[in-house]
Parts: sequence; C-alpha cells; structure tokens
Amino acid sequence: DAGVIQSPRHEVTEMGQEVTLRCKPISGHNSLFWYRQTMMRGLELLIYFNNNVPIDDSGMPEDRFSAKMPNASFSTLKIQPSEPRDSAVYFCASSPLIGPIPQFFGPGTRLTVL
Amino acid sequence: GQQLNQSPQSMFIQEGEDVSMNCTSSSIFNTWLWYKQDPGEGPVLLIALYKAGELTSNGRLTAQFGITRKDSFLNISASIPSDVGIYFCAGQSNYGGSQGNLIFGKGTKLSVKP
Repeated sequence: DAGVIQSPRHEVTEMGQEVTLRCKPISGHNSLFWYRQTMMRGLELLIYFNNNVPIDDSGMPEDRFSAKMPNASFSTLKIQPSEPRDSAVYFCASSPLIGPIPQFFGPGTRLTVL
Repeated sequence: GQQLNQSPQSMFIQEGEDVSMNCTSSSIFNTWLWYKQDPGEGPVLLIALYKAGELTSNGRLTAQFGITRKDSFLNISASIPSDVGIYFCAGQSNYGGSQGNLIFGKGTKLSVKP
C-alpha cells in the first residue's frame, strides 16, 4: 500500500491567492483528518471526516478555509484567500476506524505564503 | 481548553542509553497515544493506550497509561541512532457521551550526543 498520499509536497504562493491541498487516504479507511503543524502551535486538528461526512470542523481557523471529501478516496483543503500566517505544514491522515484517532499520516504539504 | 505538558522538550542520547519522557494534563483522558516524527515526514503512531494502568510495549518502546488518567510515560530502552526524532504524546477524552478530539503535546526532541 502506498500510504496516505498528499499533493503538492511544497507550495509557495503569494498572499491573496487560492491554495488547494489534496489528499488520497489509504484505501478502505473510514476516517480522514486534516492537521496543521507550526512551531508555535504544534499539531492542530482542522477537520475530520467519518465516511466522507465532516464530523468536527471546529478547528478550521475561519471562513477562508474549507474542506471537502467528495468520495472515499479523495479530499481537498482549500484556503481562499491565503495569508502569510497560513504558512505551515498541512498533514492529511486516515484511519480504518470510525472516530477521532488518526493512525496513518501522510508526508505533509509545506505551504509558504509570501 | 485542554492542554498537554510534555517533558523534557529536548534531550540528547548516547547510543545504548535508556530514555524516558512523559506527558501530563490537568484533565482526564480516555486514550493516550505516542507518535514519532522524523524530519520531513508525518507522525507515525507508535503505541496506543486505552485503559488506566495499562502498560504496552512495541519492541524497545514501552508506554504506560497513568493510574490517574492524567499522565502517560514513554520509555525507550537501549537507544540506537535511528531513535532520533520528535516524539509526541496525544490524549483523547470522552465527554457528554461524545468522543473528543485528539490533543497533541508539543513534542520531545531526541538528538544524538555530539
């Protein structure tokens, strides 16, 4: 199995631009998570889905952030418009179980907003 | 909100030494987990603990779920160079019949003694 796949691995963009991060969870997994990691705040949950349904999006910073999971094998995290403070590493994770525990993390997308 | 205090923040190891780190909280948790993160990669789940007092091993790693349910410990025996990385504890609690989200500690960075 290829594990959780994220793209792109690196993204550099200018303030105000739209950014879309993509994730393919491990096949057959029922839960998908989006996390953000910064030096200051550590690992923070943004949103997670069970069976493609968003369960908790209370960690999504503000209306500029949106996440979708149109099917069991694909999810996107969109930031529009992006700001320099959004610079971070964004991780997608999946789990075969229903619930709030991420078991397998992807390699992350390092986002830099200039 | 809930916070986890992880210590030490960093430590240096010499090959062959035993290593200990811990995580404490002012809140009770139902689940404790330990992850390891290597540079440029996502966290990898090492050990999951589900019951107060539980002691679980994964090779040279041993973790314990504290009796008070407010702490957890991770020990690494006979450390080897590939043990370097950042170790994160994470806790999850249930409340009001619902499963709370996973909260991560800030990490313990393990480095090799020069």
